[in-house]
Amino acid sequence: IQLTQSPSLLSASVGDRVTLSCKGSQNINNYLAWYQQKLGEAPKLLIYKTNSLQTGIPSRFSGSGSGTDYTLTISSLHSEDLATYYCYQYNNGWTFGGGTKLELK
Amino acid sequence: QVQLKESGPGLVQPSQTLSLTCTVAGFSLTSYNVHWVRQPPGKGLEWMGVIWNTGGTRYNSALKSRLSISKDTSKSQVFLKMNSLQTEDTATYYCARGPLLDYWGQGVMVTVSS
Repeated sequence: IQLTQSPSLLSASVGDRVTLSCKGSQNINNYLAWYQQKLGEAPKLLIYKTNSLQTGIPSRFSGSGSGTDYTLTISSLHSEDLATYYCYQYNNGWTFGGGTKLELK
Repeated sequence: QVQLKESGPGLVQPSQTLSLTCTVAGFSLTSYNVHWVRQPPGKGLEWMGVIWNTGGTRYNSALKSRLSISKDTSKSQVFLKMNSLQTEDTATYYCARGPLLDYWGQGVMVTVSS
C-alpha cells in the first residue's frame, strides 16, 4: 500500500486550525497512525488506529478517516507543533507516507 | 522504563556489510515485535523490516535480498545486517517497538563512503 500525504509543505500561524491529509492506494481499514518528527529527533507516535490519542499527547491533536482517506487535525497550532508529520499504515504490510512539513507563516 | 538504543559503525565502505544492534530495556522481546526504519538525510522515513516476538521476520521487498534481522532474546538485543551497501544506504537507522512503533531509539547515523 502506498501513502500520499498532502500538502508536502504547510505554512500556518500560531492558533490556526491545521489539517493534514494522508491517502492510501488501497483500503487501510483504519490501521493508520500519525507521527511527529522534530529536527534531529526520532519520530513520536501521536495517533494510532485512525483516532486513538497516544498517552501524553495533547488533545489538540485528533485523527479521523476511513477507507483510503485519513486526516490529522491540530485544533489550535502551538509553536512547538512545528515539525514534519508522517502517516503510517500497518494494515497490509507497513508503509510511511512522504511527510508534511509544518512551518510558521 | 521502555528504552531502545541503536549501536554500530558510523562509517561503512561501499559493497561492505552493515551490522547494527538494537538493545532494548523495559520490555521483553518475547512479547513485542521490533521494527527497523531508516531515514536518508533530509528525506522521509522508510520501513525496513520487523522481527516478531516469535522470531519470524518480514522485510521491505526493495531490501529483502540484502537484509537480515535476528535477535538474542536473552540479551534483549535485535540485530540488523544488510549487505552490498551503496551510497544511497547512507541514513539514520532507527529501531522501534511494534506493533505501533510507540517507542523509538535515538537512531544511529550510518555513512556509506570510501
